[in-house]
Amino acid sequence: SYELTQPPSVSVSPGQTASITCSGNILGSTSASWYQQKPGQSPVVVIYQDSKRPSGIPERFSGSNSGHAATLTISGTQAMDEADYYCQAWDSSIYLFGSGTKVTVL
Amino acid sequence: EVQLLESGGGLVQPGGSLRLSCVVSGFTFSDYAMNWVRQAPGKGLEWVSGISRSDGTTKYADSAKGRFTISRDNSKNMLYLQMNSLRADDTAVYYCTKKGSFDGYGWLDYWGQGTLVTVSS
Repeated sequence: SYELTQPPSVSVSPGQTASITCSGNILGSTSASWYQQKPGQSPVVVIYQDSKRPSGIPERFSGSNSGHAATLTISGTQAMDEADYYCQAWDSSIYLFGSGTKVTVL
Repeated sequence: EVQLLESGGGLVQPGGSLRLSCVVSGFTFSDYAMNWVRQAPGKGLEWVSGISRSDGTTKYADSAKGRFTISRDNSKNMLYLQMNSLRADDTAVYYCTKKGSFDGYGWLDYWGQGTLVTVSS
């Protein structure tokens, strides 16, 4: 079965760039989406189909997919971006989530 | 405004059953596939089950196969998850989610607030 691997945590200083990588063989044949979840809240999609941003998501959020790894980049990170982030892949109506990365803004 | 509102969670004993419901509004329900995603306390997201927009094709995670049944009533804008033979490791917040695209690649653009299912004696 497929797996998506993310680092458990990433730390970033305010104003700097945070990058989260999601790796898995399935990403070689499908796109990645990314979700932000703050404590006590439901997840919110911030990137879909590798690099598309839903309306209302700030431009500092961007995504890419190269081979078997997808990356979420937060440029000019703000304190409000501190949250858990999950990558997600899709294949034949089945959704696969990564293990999640806690982004801490120090 | 798109809204998804789950109900039906609660405390149930191991081996028991529970039926979750989700009422949706703000979009044409019959145009989109729907899914249930769960999150155990302090853990990550886990996709549980999905149902197509019209022909009722269903998919299940291995953890749900044979125990859970997803269904929908397009005339009532309702999504359901019947959960039987519940186990302690089914304890989680269950989210009702909408597929973000009409067809093709799947992502989840709207999530409900979640309903907590606790399986314990």
